[in-house]
Amino acid sequence: GQNIDQPTEMTATEGAIVQINCTYQTSGFNGLFWYQQHAGEAPTFLSYNVLDGLEEKGRFSSFLSRSKGYSYLLLKELQMKDSASYLCAVDMNRDDKIIFGKGTRLHILP
Amino acid sequence: GAGVSQSPRYKVAKRGQDVALRCDPISGHVSLFWYQQALGQGPEFLTYFQNEAQLDKSGLPSDRFFAERPEGSVSTLKIQRTQQEDSAVYLCASSLGTFSYEQYFGPGTRLTVT
Repeated sequence: GQNIDQPTEMTATEGAIVQINCTYQTSGFNGLFWYQQHAGEAPTFLSYNVLDGLEEKGRFSSFLSRSKGYSYLLLKELQMKDSASYLCAVDMNRDDKIIFGKGTRLHILP
Repeated sequence: GAGVSQSPRYKVAKRGQDVALRCDPISGHVSLFWYQQALGQGPEFLTYFQNEAQLDKSGLPSDRFFAERPEGSVSTLKIQRTQQEDSAVYLCASSLGTFSYEQYFGPGTRLTVT
């Protein structure tokens, strides 16, 4: 079966840095998405990694290691509005479905 | 421009009732996806359309679930004879291409079956 693991909850302080990890075991792999979802709202796209390495986009960066089945989302200079769930999702191949992890609820403390 | 819209935003149904959930994708988006999201879980894939063709319905939990997109734009997810386990948020997403493209999600319909 397909398996995507990420921590259920994390807490961090405003202004700090937090890393949210995601490991996956899937029958195919094309790329990995990160989405942000505020409570009661729709998920919004953050990043899509296909190649190994770190991709930086403002305060958010995403890393992928295909050989290790591992990704992380790095959030810098945390703001209160970053309190949300962060969903890791694997795109297994071009014609198959995306599998989402259960999400990591991030709490930001002042 | 307008994003993905869904209606109704909230639906309460009595067990055994039929419900219809509507999704208006972003204009010009070829692909449309339906997901089911239980509380505290990630979205789970239900079905996928490319234009009017339903290319994958492997995630539909039972034959009580039916989806259509007759003109390749608006889509409807229908649930017949609702059960309590159908209570969830139903998310619709659209994209320019298939699964490797960014998906734009609607706000979801929260279905509660009593």
